[in-house]
Amino acid sequence: DVKVTQSSRYLVKRTGEKVFLECVQDMDHENMFWYRQDPGLGLRLIYFSYDVKMKEKGDIPEGYSVSREKKERFSLILESASTNQTSMYLCASSGTGYEQYFGPGTRLTVT
Amino acid sequence: QKEVEQNSGPLSVPEGAIASLNCTYSDRVSQSFFWYRQYSGKSPELIMSIYSNGDKEDGRFTAQLNKASQYVSLLIRDSQPSDSATYLCAIDTGRRALTFGSGTRLQVQP
Repeated sequence: DVKVTQSSRYLVKRTGEKVFLECVQDMDHENMFWYRQDPGLGLRLIYFSYDVKMKEKGDIPEGYSVSREKKERFSLILESASTNQTSMYLCASSGTGYEQYFGPGTRLTVT
Repeated sequence: QKEVEQNSGPLSVPEGAIASLNCTYSDRVSQSFFWYRQYSGKSPELIMSIYSNGDKEDGRFTAQLNKASQYVSLLIRDSQPSDSATYLCAIDTGRRALTFGSGTRLQVQP
């Protein structure tokens, strides 16, 4: 079974802090994704990566950056957290097909 | 127009009935279509994928795809209270990523 893990289930940070969310997959998948999910807005793609050190902007990249130094690990960075970044953050991975498998999610609250 | 449209619901069906969930999409080049189930507070779980016109069955689930009309549907037979969840439709965008609909909330009444 594909396993995608995320570093934290719940996180509370203060406005202006730098926040790191980490995601690890164990299936040697090429592609990894970061989404945020908000009520009424659905899943929105922030960034994705199709290879080590490669990244592409999704639909809402503003305020975020990513890092992929190893194939199994994909990090989402909030350079200066703001209250409007309070959300559920979901990481996913996929192999040669389009099927994506999700981690358990991180609920981030920025106060 | 959104790329993937779903009725937000809730869709309420009695236990044992067939639940029918629908999704329309705007991108004619999409070739891969997926249904995810998401329980409240949990992450999405892949339940069905379909790539060709017609029906694909897996247990109590049937996915139906009509590329000419640009819709994909999910039928759940013999619905159970444990099927109560939000169902997300997703399509490929041709760039390794998926575009998700906002989901339809299904309630199965015992």
